[in-house]
Amino acid sequence: GENVEQHPSTLSVQEGDSAVIKCTYSDSASNYFPWYKQELGKRPQLIIDIRSNVGEKKDQRIAVTLNKTAKHFSLHITETQPEDSAVYFCAAINAGGTSYGKLTFGQGTILTVHP
Amino acid sequence: DSGVTQTPKHLITATGQRVTLRCSPRSGDLSVYWYQQSLDQGLQFLIQYYNGEERAKGNILERFSAQQFPDLHSELNLSSLELGDSALYFCASSVSWAQGEAFFGQGTRLTVV
Repeated sequence: GENVEQHPSTLSVQEGDSAVIKCTYSDSASNYFPWYKQELGKRPQLIIDIRSNVGEKKDQRIAVTLNKTAKHFSLHITETQPEDSAVYFCAAINAGGTSYGKLTFGQGTILTVHP
Repeated sequence: DSGVTQTPKHLITATGQRVTLRCSPRSGDLSVYWYQQSLDQGLQFLIQYYNGEERAKGNILERFSAQQFPDLHSELNLSSLELGDSALYFCASSVSWAQGEAFFGQGTRLTVV
C-alpha cells in the first residue's frame, strides 16, 4: 500500500519568512495530492491540492510542487503570518474513476510562526 | 462549515462499553471515510464506504465496525472500549476522489475512562 513520509515534524519560522514542508510517497500510481491544515482541536481543512498532470499550483501565499519522477511533493508558504500556525498534513491517493481507495496521510508538521 | 455533520461532538464513557459515532456526509457525496487521530498522532485511516458498500479498510480493530446506510449516513461502532481508544474520530466525505477533495466533519472526541 501507499506510504507517505513528511518532513520536518516541527517547523518554527519568524513572521514574514517562508516555510517549506516536504513529502515523499511510495506508490507510483498515486495521482492526487492534497494538503490539509488542522488547527488545535479542529477538523482538517483542505488548503491546496495538486494532480499528477500538473507540476505546480499556486494560490496566493501557498504553492505546491510535484515531482513525479522522484515521487515527492512540497508545500510552500510565503510571507508567513501567525495565523498560519497549525499542523499541516500532506496526503496521497490513487484517485481512480471507481472512487475508492484510502487517502494516506503523512505524519504531520507542526508549524509555528513567531510574531 | 464543511457540510459534514458528526454526532456527538464529545463522548465520555467507561472501559468495556460500546459507543456509536454518527456521520452525515455532504449532500451528494457517496464516499464516507473514517479516521482516528490520537494525541500527537496523525490521521489513521480506519475504513471507507462508497454508496453503501465497504471499499477500503485500514488498520481497523476487530472491536470496531462501521456501516453506511441507504440514506448514505454512516455509523462507526466501537465496542469493548479500552483507554487507548480515546481519540478524535473524524469522518470525511467526497463525491469521488477523481473529482474533488474530501471534506472533514468536526470530529467526535471520545474519552474512555
